[in-house]
Amino acid sequence: NAGVTQTPKFRVLKTGQSMTLLCAQDMNHEYMYWYRQDPGMGLRLIHYSVGEGTTAKGEVPDGYNVSRLKKQNFLLGLESAAPSQTSVYFCASSLTNLAKNIQYFGAGTRLSVL
Amino acid sequence: EDQVTQSPEALRLQEGESSSLNCSYTVSGLRGLFWYRQDPGKGPEFLFTLYSAGEEKEKERLKATLTKKESFLHITAPKPEDSATYLCAVEGDKIIFGKGTRLHILP
Repeated sequence: NAGVTQTPKFRVLKTGQSMTLLCAQDMNHEYMYWYRQDPGMGLRLIHYSVGEGTTAKGEVPDGYNVSRLKKQNFLLGLESAAPSQTSVYFCASSLTNLAKNIQYFGAGTRLSVL
Repeated sequence: EDQVTQSPEALRLQEGESSSLNCSYTVSGLRGLFWYRQDPGKGPEFLFTLYSAGEEKEKERLKATLTKKESFLHITAPKPEDSATYLCAVEGDKIIFGKGTRLHILP
């Protein structure tokens, strides 16, 4: 059981370049999330999705776009990368958004923007 | 404003030395409080969910408790493999994560 898989694991970009991070889950979860984790800060929610074809903004959405064309996949895009987007990005999924909202996380993507 | 504060930021213990990690929170309408474990280079891994004051849950050497203002993660007779960062998260209208406590157990 793979759970939540993120690709790539590492990436280095130059300022202004674009890229897409892929998250795939095989647990048939409705909800999917993208977080960023920076030193000295908690996980911060970028965008999330409550089902196929839906997306919503989280706490820090600026500079990012997302798409959920298939239930099992959630893509995070950076159209024009900036050094401030250097971070570790985590994808997570959960069955529902009710109180039993256990989130299952991927292993992360480490992104450096030069 | 909803917020979560974890203390201490870092904790070093000798193997077998019991202690507690704190998670203080302010949230309007608590739907759940979560504890996660995060190993270096990996994503957070779910440990516990607590829903109401007075609730307790245990797993091996870990015990989580909840009051109306804070949660404690008690670690009894820890082993080096318990070394990790422990994250607390609260869910009200949204989920907010604390900055975590880095726990290091010395053999």
